[in-house]
This record gives sequence, structure tokens and C-alpha cells, in this order.
Amino acid sequence: KQEVTQIPAALSVPEGENLVLNCSFTDSAIYNLQWFRQDPGKGLTSLLLIQSSQREQTSGRLNASLDKSSGRSTLYIAASQPGDSATYLCAVRNEGGSSNTGKLIFGQGTTLQVKP
Amino acid sequence: GAVVSQHPSRVICKSGTSVKIECRSLDFQATTMFWYRQFPKQSLMLMATSNEGSKATYEQGVEKDKFLINHASLTLSTLTVTSAHPEDSSFYICSASRGGEAFFGQGTRLTVV
Repeated sequence: KQEVTQIPAALSVPEGENLVLNCSFTDSAIYNLQWFRQDPGKGLTSLLLIQSSQREQTSGRLNASLDKSSGRSTLYIAASQPGDSATYLCAVRNEGGSSNTGKLIFGQGTTLQVKP
Repeated sequence: GAVVSQHPSRVICKSGTSVKIECRSLDFQATTMFWYRQFPKQSLMLMATSNEGSKATYEQGVEKDKFLINHASLTLSTLTVTSAHPEDSSFYICSASRGGEAFFGQGTRLTVV
């Protein structure tokens, strides 16, 4: 059974710092991995999608890496800003289903606070 | 990017009544949609998989007669919380995928009084 773990559960950093959020999964047979952001009381916003054949994806100040064999992904946030404060969730989609019908398995999230 | 719209964003209902939540894929067709429930400070819990034109698949421990799902078209799935009780108060979120990327609705905060 796939399990996804995110460390740390919470993180507080001063503005401007670069930071890394970690995500690990127990079964390497994944279809893809996705990082999301959730603001309080809101839905999830997709940040980055990494296919199982990819090693990393970048969008602006965000860079996500994937090491499927070791069951790990990281989300790197450069030059953090107070507006980055949110909960960040990673989720994996297992192999076996189609790309749009397979279930996502979520980690517990990392709540980030960036202090001005 | 693809957009999934969820309505209403907030609803307060009396105990014993039913509440319907809609989830629409605005610019793509979704044969499968997912319904999640989220408790405060916790991650998402998958409740059920909504399949267009067929019965929904419920996760273990989720009462299918309590949480009715209808996926009558390729762009709309509905979740009806029947005979709501205060313990059903929660944040409900739907999602649909396109090209392997999952997109989520804005969520619905249900409060049962």
C-alpha cells in the first residue's frame, strides 16, 4: 500500500531564504507526482507535475525533483516571500490506472510560514 | 490551466436536511472525478471516485447512502450529503484530471447546525 510522508510538518523561515520541502513515498511504481499549494479555507492549487520518467520540473522560483528509485521528491522554493506562506502537499498517482482516473495519495502536508 | 469549479463555497444547513454540492470541469471533459473530505489541519481523505454514466466507487468506511454521488455528464458531478448531522460538518473538495494533472475545486465548507 502506497504511503506518502512529508517532512517537516511545519516550517518557519525569514523572508528571502531558500528552502526545501521533502516528500517520500513507499512504492516507487508511480505514474506521476504532483505538488500543490493550499491556502487556509481554500482548495488546492497545482504547482508542479512530474511524470515518472522525469527528474525535475521548474516554474518560476519553484523547482521540484523526483528520484523514483529512492522514493523521494523535493520542492525547492527560492528567495521565499511572505506570500509563499501556505500548506504544501505532495501527492503520487500509482501505476496501473490511466493518467486521469488513478487515485492520488496525499502526504500530510508541510505548513510554511515566511516571516517578513 | 484547466479549471474545476465547485459550488457552493459555503453552506449552513439544519440537521436532518440534505445538501448538494456541485463540481464542474469548465474547459475539459472528465469521465472521472474525485470527492475528498478534509478535517481541520489534516490532509485530504478520499471519499469516492465519481464515474460518468456509472456508479461511484466509495472508499472503505464511507457510507454510500449517506453521500450520494451522481456523475450525469462529462462536466458535472454532484455530492449530496443526505440527512446531514453536525458530524458531517467539514470541508469537501472535488477534483478532476486532464493530461494526468489533477485540478481541484475551491472547496465547500459545510456546517450542520
